[in-house]
Amino acid sequence: DIVMTQSPDSLAVSLGERATINCKSSQSILYSSNNKDYLAWYQQKPGQPPKLLIYWASTRESGVPDRFSGSGSGTDFSLTISSLQADDVAVYYCQQYFTTPLTFGGGTKVEIK
Amino acid sequence: EVQLVESGGGLVQPGGSLRLSCAASGFNFTNYWMHWVRQAPGKGLVWVSRIDSAGKSTSYADSVKGRFTISRDNAKNTLYLQMNGLRAEDSALYYCARYNIGHHAVDYWGRGTLVTVSS
Repeated sequence: DIVMTQSPDSLAVSLGERATINCKSSQSILYSSNNKDYLAWYQQKPGQPPKLLIYWASTRESGVPDRFSGSGSGTDFSLTISSLQADDVAVYYCQQYFTTPLTFGGGTKVEIK
Repeated sequence: EVQLVESGGGLVQPGGSLRLSCAASGFNFTNYWMHWVRQAPGKGLVWVSRIDSAGKSTSYADSVKGRFTISRDNAKNTLYLQMNGLRAEDSALYYCARYNIGHHAVDYWGRGTLVTVSS
């Protein structure tokens, strides 16, 4: 199974400041036939299901604010919130969908400092 | 609007069975692979199972293999998860989720149904 390791476990950032979450996969999740990394980022607020933010490591889902961006390739990835808003308080998960079992990172809780 | 509505959760004794359902609407259910993902209270997300659009190919997490069965009824736009031999560690909120045809990530999730395994 591909192990996804997220860091940090939690992050407190001032409003308007940048937040960066890291995610590392235990093996490459770059699909050579289309040169796409099969990595997604999800946001989960309390009492709600996860919401897809980013797929293919760096493509924003429709309707997701452009302050959210994804980067990285191969085994190392990041999610950046360029200017943290109060509405961004949530737990963020990375997930690989390169192969089953689909596997998730442990989650990063983002709070306001 | 895409909607996924799970049902069938509840309290069951260890060793018991439950059948979860997920009613889909707002999209052509027949064309989409589907997943079940679970989340124990206060914990992270764990993938459980997936099924292809025709219902002919399935895959399971090792932790549920041989005990859980995923299936679908495309005529009823409904996804199922038959859970047998339930254990305390199966207690969780169970989400059904849609696999996007274009980019292959899971793009829509239901609100979940809670399964509690306890004597």
